[in-house]
Amino acid sequence: GQNIDQPTEMTATEGAIVQINCTYQTSGFNGLFWYQQHAGEAPTFLSYNVLDGLEEKGRFSSFLSRSKGYSYLLLKELQMKDSASYLCAVGTGFQKLVFGTGTRLLVSP
Amino acid sequence: ETGVTQSPTHLIKTRGQQVTLRCSSQSGHNTVSWYQQALGQGPQFIFQYYREEENGRGNFPPRFSGLQFPNYSSELNVNALELDDSALYLCASSLAPPGTRDYEQYFGPGTRLTVT
Repeated sequence: GQNIDQPTEMTATEGAIVQINCTYQTSGFNGLFWYQQHAGEAPTFLSYNVLDGLEEKGRFSSFLSRSKGYSYLLLKELQMKDSASYLCAVGTGFQKLVFGTGTRLLVSP
Repeated sequence: ETGVTQSPTHLIKTRGQQVTLRCSSQSGHNTVSWYQQALGQGPQFIFQYYREEENGRGNFPPRFSGLQFPNYSSELNVNALELDDSALYLCASSLAPPGTRDYEQYFGPGTRLTVT
């Protein structure tokens, strides 16, 4: 089966740091993706991890532990525009992505 | 801006009708995937096309079908629409062929389908 779990909603304050966790159990693994999706818009690619460890890209970092089936997305220096849904997705082969239900992040002033 | 376009933006159909949604990928992107995203959910994989051939399918009935054309455009067709088909339909294209490990899919803005 395919199962991806992430929190439904998180809140944080502008300027703070937030970590969004994702655990997965899938029948295949070709990498883990994080996407950002603003309401009514398409998902936009944030990060891709295929090996264990931390990938840093500006204010965003993503971590993967394949043995634990675990990833997190770290957002630093939060801005109001970071209010969005964050989707964790696993590539299971042939570019088929299995998505979690998404974490809605609300950033307040 | 991903270079992937979809049409129409919004669509309202009646239960039992048929609908065709369109996607135009970037030049050279031979792989296109279609996803259905219900409100408050993550996208669900419908199927994928590579060089005009279906190359994988999710848990969707046969009334969901597709086509891919040599000019990097593709279609998603849904017959006998049901109320539960109301969702955002996303296409995503990729330069990498299926089966390669390092890839990135570019999503279009989606088509919002409402079935009444």
